[in-house]
Amino acid sequence: DIVMTQSPDSLAVSLGERATINCKSSQSVLYSSNNKNYLAWYQQKPGQPPKLLIYWASTRESGVPARFSGSGSGTDFTLAISSLQAEDVAVYYCQQYYSPPYTFGQGTKLEIK
Amino acid sequence: EVQLVESGGGLVQPGGSLRLSCSASGFTFSSYSMNWVRQAPGKGLEWVSYISSSSSTIYFTDSVKGRFTISRDNAKNSLYLQMNSLRAEDTAVYYCARDQVTMVRGVTTPCGMDVWGQGTTVTVSS
Repeated sequence: DIVMTQSPDSLAVSLGERATINCKSSQSVLYSSNNKNYLAWYQQKPGQPPKLLIYWASTRESGVPARFSGSGSGTDFTLAISSLQAEDVAVYYCQQYYSPPYTFGQGTKLEIK
Repeated sequence: EVQLVESGGGLVQPGGSLRLSCSASGFTFSSYSMNWVRQAPGKGLEWVSYISSSSSTIYFTDSVKGRFTISRDNAKNSLYLQMNSLRAEDTAVYYCARDQVTMVRGVTTPCGMDVWGQGTTVTVSS
């Protein structure tokens, strides 16, 4: 199984500042035939289901604000929020869909400082 | 409106069974692979199972293999999760989620789970 490890477990950032969350996979999730990383990022607010933010490691889902960006390839990935807004308080998860079981990271709780 | 609605959760004793349902609307259900994802109280997300659009491909996480069965009825726009031999550690909110795909150079390529239901709660306790 591919193990997904996020860091940090929690993060407090001031409004308007940049937030960065890291995700590392135990093996590469780069699909060589199409050069796509099978890595997604989700946002989950309390009492709500997860929401897809980013897929293929760096492609923003339709309707997701441009302040959210994803980067990385192979085994190391980053989710960045360029200017933190109050509504971004949530838990963020990375997930690999390269091979089953399609494992999630443990989550990173993002709060306002 | 694209929507997924889960049902069937409840309180069940250890060793018991439950059948979860997920009703889809607003999209061509038969064209999409589907997933079940669960979340134990206060914990993170755990992917549980996957079924392809035609039911030809099915996957499970190891902890539920042999106990859970996934199925779908495309005529009824419905996804199911039959859960047998339930354990306390199966206690969770269970979400169904649609597998988003797009064409890349003529090949269907997965791109995350883009539509989620609100979840149904399963509690396994005596």
